[in-house]
Amino acid sequence: EVQLVESGGGLVQPGGSLRLSCVVSGFTFSSFWMSWVRQAPGKGLEWVANIRQDGSEKYYVDSVKGRFTISRDNAKDSLYLHMNGLRAEDTALYYCARDVIVLPPGLDYWGQGTLVTVSS
Amino acid sequence: EIVLTQSPATLSLSPGERATLSCRASQGVSSNLAWYQQKPGQAPRLLIYDASNRATGIPARFSGSGSGTDFTLTISSLEPEDLAVYYCQQRSTWPRMYTFGQGTKLEIK
Repeated sequence: EVQLVESGGGLVQPGGSLRLSCVVSGFTFSSFWMSWVRQAPGKGLEWVANIRQDGSEKYYVDSVKGRFTISRDNAKDSLYLHMNGLRAEDTALYYCARDVIVLPPGLDYWGQGTLVTVSS
Repeated sequence: EIVLTQSPATLSLSPGERATLSCRASQGVSSNLAWYQQKPGQAPRLLIYDASNRATGIPARFSGSGSGTDFTLTISSLEPEDLAVYYCQQRSTWPRMYTFGQGTKLEIK
């Protein structure tokens, strides 16, 4: 059974930092791209970042470039999102998702999310 | 930057009725479009990929169509469990990035 479990969310002050983690099981983590997607309370989905299998390619939505860094540790089946310079508008539920190129292309498995709240 | 516009924002229908959800892209995305379903309190689920292909385990009452800039998700005969928000999503080949539409909320009367 495929599972993705996020952790690391919490309450942080504006300008602060946080590291989110996503541990996966049930598939060969090192064979897949991975993505982070967030959802502000009561709002829609926003793709945040993704990373290639070996970490050699990373892409970000413009609103987080220079502040967030996606990384992975294939030996630990883990995905990370390092968030610096947090702003109130970063408050959201953060999901990790398996990012498939072919058959089917898209985000085919998702975790249940970890909540990040940026507030003083 | 490609913008996806979904309509209507909210759709209220009865069980057994047909639902038609629209997604329009600000520029052509070929068939690189997917649909996701998000039920209350749950993570999103991939429904349709490449505009018209059902993902594994998705019931046949869900179908997708379109290419270029105009796409449609059709639910042929609504079930009560189809209550959800539906999002379209486009992917760019390179850089490999995604954009979501703002969602259509489907209410079941």
